Amino acid sequence: QITLTQQAESLWVSPGEKVSITCRASQSLLYTDGKHYLSWYQQRPGQTTKALIYHASIRTDGVPTRFIGSGSGTEFTLSIEDVQPEDIALYYCLQTLKKLLTFGSGTKLEIK
Amino acid sequence: EVQLVESGGGLVQPGRSLKLSCAASGFTFSDYNMAWVRQAPTKGLEWVASISYGGSNTHYGDSVKGRFTISRDNAKSTLYLQMDSLRSEDTATYYCARHGTGSGWYFDFWGPGTMVTVSS
Repeated sequence: QITLTQQAESLWVSPGEKVSITCRASQSLLYTDGKHYLSWYQQRPGQTTKALIYHASIRTDGVPTRFIGSGSGTEFTLSIEDVQPEDIALYYCLQTLKKLLTFGSGTKLEIK
Repeated sequence: EVQLVESGGGLVQPGRSLKLSCAASGFTFSDYNMAWVRQAPTKGLEWVASISYGGSNTHYGDSVKGRFTISRDNAKSTLYLQMDSLRSEDTATYYCARHGTGSGWYFDFWGPGTMVTVSS
């Protein structure tokens, strides 16, 4: 089983700032097709869970460009530039490399 | 517009069974692999099970293997989760999610969830 570690349970940020959320995998998430099987999700209160990023760096349709996914191997980052009040949410990473899918423990983004 | 709507949640006693449904619309259901994901109160997300678009292949998380069964009816565009031998630790909101096609199996759409409480 691949373990995903999101060390920060919560992060505090002021509007307009940049924040980075990290996700570390217990083994490489690189597949033989050259792609990383790591995706990011946003959970806002009262809303359905939303996919933000897949294959580590590809934004899903309609996701603002201030959300940036990066990383490779076992280390991945979701960066949010110019944080907006509506970005206050829980963020999770997910690995889909192995059939036993696993999520990170989540990081709560809060406004200062 | 893609829509996934779960139903069937509720209060159930330990050891009993419950069957969840997820009605899909806005896309060709039979073209997509589907999944269930759950979230215990104040906890993180946990993948439960996935099923291939035709229904012939299924995969389960270790915590539910042998107790839960995922299935689908493509004619009705509906996904199911049969939950047997329920335990208190199965208490959670259960989400139906669609796997994206050709995009690394990520979950591209989610439903709002249905709450299951296992308690005597």
